Amino acid sequence: DGGITQSPKYLFRKEGQNVTLSCEQNLNHDAMYWYRQDPGQGLRLIYYSQIVNDFQKGDIAEGYSVSREKKESFPLTVTSAQKNPTAFYLCASSRGQGYQETQYFGPGTRLLVL
Amino acid sequence: KQEVTQIPAALSVPEGENLVLNCSFTDSAIYNLQWFRQDPGKGLTSLLLIQSSQREQTSGRLNASLDKSSGRSTLYIAASQPGDSATYLCVANAGGTSYGKLTFGQGTILTVHP
Repeated sequence: DGGITQSPKYLFRKEGQNVTLSCEQNLNHDAMYWYRQDPGQGLRLIYYSQIVNDFQKGDIAEGYSVSREKKESFPLTVTSAQKNPTAFYLCASSRGQGYQETQYFGPGTRLLVL
Repeated sequence: KQEVTQIPAALSVPEGENLVLNCSFTDSAIYNLQWFRQDPGKGLTSLLLIQSSQREQTSGRLNASLDKSSGRSTLYIAASQPGDSATYLCVANAGGTSYGKLTFGQGTILTVHP
């Protein structure tokens, strides 16, 4: 089955700890995205990547980092600098780089702080 | 800056009712508008996408309309069923940049009770 997978489904972070959220796609999509969803708010873009070895900051990149070493994978690291990390994180991908391409979303990872 | 607002924030209806979800956006210069469905703790599933040159799109019991001049879109659900219970998100795509700037509404939580 083609699609986007995210792991883990739930992730717990201790104070001062960095954690990494996984996002993998087998759709052969060039572009990938990370969003954050908070209750009662719309999704907000953290980072996006239009091609391997390239990525750009979104609207709320502070406290987060990404890498894009492979076309299929776009992991997100939530660093200790992110003071309010509790949220639902969604990964998405699209076939091309243009605005006309529809984004497809993964099932999400819920991050909780201990 | 584009803002997307969805009204109502929550809606509870009995099974079989026809219903309308509303979405308004402040900048009419959009490339397309998309409606998504999100089940609790899950990712987003695309329902309908309306290009800026179109007035409406239909899929089964769903019909979405777009009025760019007034900055409004509606999602009409006919003969609602308990399986329609979910959060419905309206998303405006500004285009104009290489990755496509998406602005998400905060969603309408729909509950259809038997």
